[in-house]
Amino acid sequence: AQSVTQLGSHVSVSEGALVLLRCNYSSSVPPYLFWYVQYPNQGLQLLLKYTSAATLVKGINGFEAEFKKSETSFHLTKPSAHMSDAAEYFCAVSEDGGSNYKQTFGKGTLLTVNP
Amino acid sequence: EAGVAQSPRYKIIEKRQSVAFWCNPISGHATLYWYQQILGQGPKLLIQFQNNGVVDDSQLPKDRFSAERLKGVDSTLKIQPAKLEDSAVYLCASSFLAVRGRYEQYFGPGTRLTVT
Repeated sequence: AQSVTQLGSHVSVSEGALVLLRCNYSSSVPPYLFWYVQYPNQGLQLLLKYTSAATLVKGINGFEAEFKKSETSFHLTKPSAHMSDAAEYFCAVSEDGGSNYKQTFGKGTLLTVNP
Repeated sequence: EAGVAQSPRYKIIEKRQSVAFWCNPISGHATLYWYQQILGQGPKLLIQFQNNGVVDDSQLPKDRFSAERLKGVDSTLKIQPAKLEDSAVYLCASSFLAVRGRYEQYFGPGTRLTVT
């Protein structure tokens, strides 16, 4: 069964600092991996996704993530944090289940950005 | 294009009462999902529809939860009777098709349910 572990339920950075949000996955087959962002009182918005093409994936708002099979990781990074990046971030994994692409989400990491 | 619409946005009920949530997906999206997001946790899939058929409802508490998607467009999720532990945000999402390489879900704003 697939699963996702997000290390750190809360990450705090200063504005302009590097953002690093960690995600490790477990999957019995080559996975699809996703990062979503959720702002208060809103639904989830896709930041980026890995679908077995390039291992370094670039997303919206300057975020990127690198798929490392040997480490079963898909960490999210951004070189310079902005105040507007403060939100909750979710990593998700999906397996090829034929017609059923079920996504399993991690528990989320709350990112706060200090001025 | 219009996003996924959900209503109501907020609902407060007493335990043992019933409640229903409505979702209208993005036009043309064949796949519709209902998730439950408890405070401090990630979304958990309750049910997935492909057009008007159920693909996965393995985590739906069928003794109290029901969902339907008539005509393969909008959908309703019902809880009857509600329990305190049902307090959560209920998210609806849709995607064009659950197809390799095109699997992107679009989420609605959610309905925040409080059961007292």
